[in-house]
Amino acid sequence: DAGVTQSPTHLIKTRGQQVTLRCSPISGHKSVSWYQQVLGQGPQFIFQYYEKEERGRGNFPDRFSARQFPNYSSELNVNALLLGDSALYLCASSYRTGGTETQYFGPGTRLLVL
Amino acid sequence: EDKVVQSPLSLVVHEGDTVTLNCSYEVTNFRSLLWYKQEKKAPTFLFMLTSSGIEKKSGRLSSILDKKELFSILNITATQTGDSAVYLCAVPRSNYQLIWGAGTKLIIKP
Repeated sequence: DAGVTQSPTHLIKTRGQQVTLRCSPISGHKSVSWYQQVLGQGPQFIFQYYEKEERGRGNFPDRFSARQFPNYSSELNVNALLLGDSALYLCASSYRTGGTETQYFGPGTRLLVL
Repeated sequence: EDKVVQSPLSLVVHEGDTVTLNCSYEVTNFRSLLWYKQEKKAPTFLFMLTSSGIEKKSGRLSSILDKKELFSILNITATQTGDSAVYLCAVPRSNYQLIWGAGTKLIIKP
């Protein structure tokens, strides 16, 4: 079975530009979460979507937005890029088991903002 | 404020050594604790712990949870160079938002 897939794998942008990152969950998973991981730190939660609805949002500015499509794939959009947005962006899909969710991660998109 | 703290932040050992990684947490309505291994990119799932005192084991890796003292440990025996990675601990704040530790960077020298 295919795991979580993300595209692109790497991306270079300049300040002020906009970027769209894509994620396809594991087949059968209806929930997608987005995380930002800066070098040397643990991932920081950005969004979670379930059945096309936003279920949770982390402490990120409105420049960050996301959506989930009927096939459960998801896009993360970041507008007006800042240097500090340079990070590894991870997507995780999940299913519920025993009252909690186990999240499985994609390979990530490494974004560099110059 | 909910938090997850891992220690040590980094660790260098030789092949064959045994290591113990620590994760302590303060999270409201605790349900579970998750361990992940992160090499070059995506974290890969290792264990989910929900009950105190029950060891989860997978090959040379094992983990246990202490809900009274609010911590978990991850043990790796007979370490190999392929075990070199960042090991991350995470606790769900709710059913969907994971609170992550900063990770322990483990380096195994041949």
